[in-house]
Amino acid sequence: SAVISQKPSRDICQRGTSLTIQCQVDSQVTMMFWYRQQPGQSLTLIATANQGSEATYESGFVIDKFPISRPNLTFSTLTVSNMSPEDSSIYLCSVEVRDGDRAIDTQYFGPGTRLTVL
Amino acid sequence: AQSVTQLDSHVSVSEGTPVLLRCNYSSSYSPSLFWYVQHPNKGLQLLLKYTSAATLVKGINGFEAEFKKSETSFHLTKPSAHMSDAAEYFCVVSDQNNDMRFGAGTRLTVKP
Repeated sequence: SAVISQKPSRDICQRGTSLTIQCQVDSQVTMMFWYRQQPGQSLTLIATANQGSEATYESGFVIDKFPISRPNLTFSTLTVSNMSPEDSSIYLCSVEVRDGDRAIDTQYFGPGTRLTVL
Repeated sequence: AQSVTQLDSHVSVSEGTPVLLRCNYSSSYSPSLFWYVQHPNKGLQLLLKYTSAATLVKGINGFEAEFKKSETSFHLTKPSAHMSDAAEYFCVVSDQNNDMRFGAGTRLTVKP
């Protein structure tokens, strides 16, 4: 398994500003993911962040709006840029851990960052 | 492409009665299947996972799920609900590329 922390846990921001969310893992992992969970909704994958390469964004998400950094194997940041009220969501970081001998990958999630944009 | 359907958006049970949360999946390959739980104001926690070993999977907190290939189902059950089980539950399917798809979620309410 993996222990994941996120900062901040919550924030209230003004329209037009940007917020950077940090994700820290207690072990080295290759694959990290950023998800968004809008109010009352399931999770939507924003992007996959592998160390040493550009993040891969899902349809509907672009780097200018959600720039991601992955400077090492234990850390990543997601920035929500030029925010609008529609960006109010919970943002979750997750990592993929290989399950020992069976080579099965399991995702573990951080506690989330609750963002409210006024 | 793969997908997962959680058949109930909301399930309400009385404390001490059985819980059944239904999940059907669609996948072109032998999938891995997961159930995650999300308590209010908390992150997601892995309850259990199926990865082509035993079809009956036991998870944490007394939950279990049975993989039925003929029915393409992976329903989550618990014999006796506790108040602390009230949460949102997500069924997830993952393919051979570890591309995960989340269900819409089922909100479980437990009445005293």
